Amino acid sequence: AQSVTQLGSHVSVSEGALVLLRCNYSSSVPPYLFWYVQYPNQGLQLLLKYTTGATLVKGINGFEAEFKKSETSFHLTKPSAHMSDAAEYFCAVSDRPLGNEKLTFGTGTRLTIIP
Amino acid sequence: NAGVMQNPRHLVRRRGQEARLRCSPMKGHSHVYWYRQLPEEGLKFMVYLQKENIIDESGMPKERFSAEFPKEGPSILRIQQVVRGDSAAYFCASSPPASGSYEQYFGPGTRLTVT
Repeated sequence: AQSVTQLGSHVSVSEGALVLLRCNYSSSVPPYLFWYVQYPNQGLQLLLKYTTGATLVKGINGFEAEFKKSETSFHLTKPSAHMSDAAEYFCAVSDRPLGNEKLTFGTGTRLTIIP
Repeated sequence: NAGVMQNPRHLVRRRGQEARLRCSPMKGHSHVYWYRQLPEEGLKFMVYLQKENIIDESGMPKERFSAEFPKEGPSILRIQQVVRGDSAAYFCASSPPASGSYEQYFGPGTRLTVT
């Protein structure tokens, strides 16, 4: 069975500081990994995804994530936080290679930006 | 191209009533997923449907919940005899058939409150 662990349910960073949101996964097959962002009372928007190929993936709004198989991690980073980054972030894994695209989500990390 | 549409956005039901949630996938998408988000939790997979077929309902409660995706019209998630524990945000996502994009596009959700 797949699972996703997001360390830190709440993270606060100062505006302009590095953002680091942690995600570790467990999967019996090569994983497809995703980061989604959710603004209050809205649906989820895809930030970035890893399927195959380059392990460092770049997404929207200046975010990027690196797939590290040896560490079973897919941490999300952004060099300089902006006030508009305040939101909830979800890491997810898919067993797509088995033909079922359902996503297994972590419990989320709420990011607060300090002015 | 309109995104995934869900209605109603907010739904209030008394205990014992029925709730019907609708999801119109993006144009050209034939795969629909339903997820439930309980307060302060991540999204949990409920069911995966293709046109006129339920592919995976492993996340659906055994009783009171059903889903369909007819040949014509939106996908419907139906909850009979609602209880307070059904209060949650229900999200629908869609994806195109075998596109290789491996991503799901989420709707804005329906927030169900059971009084």
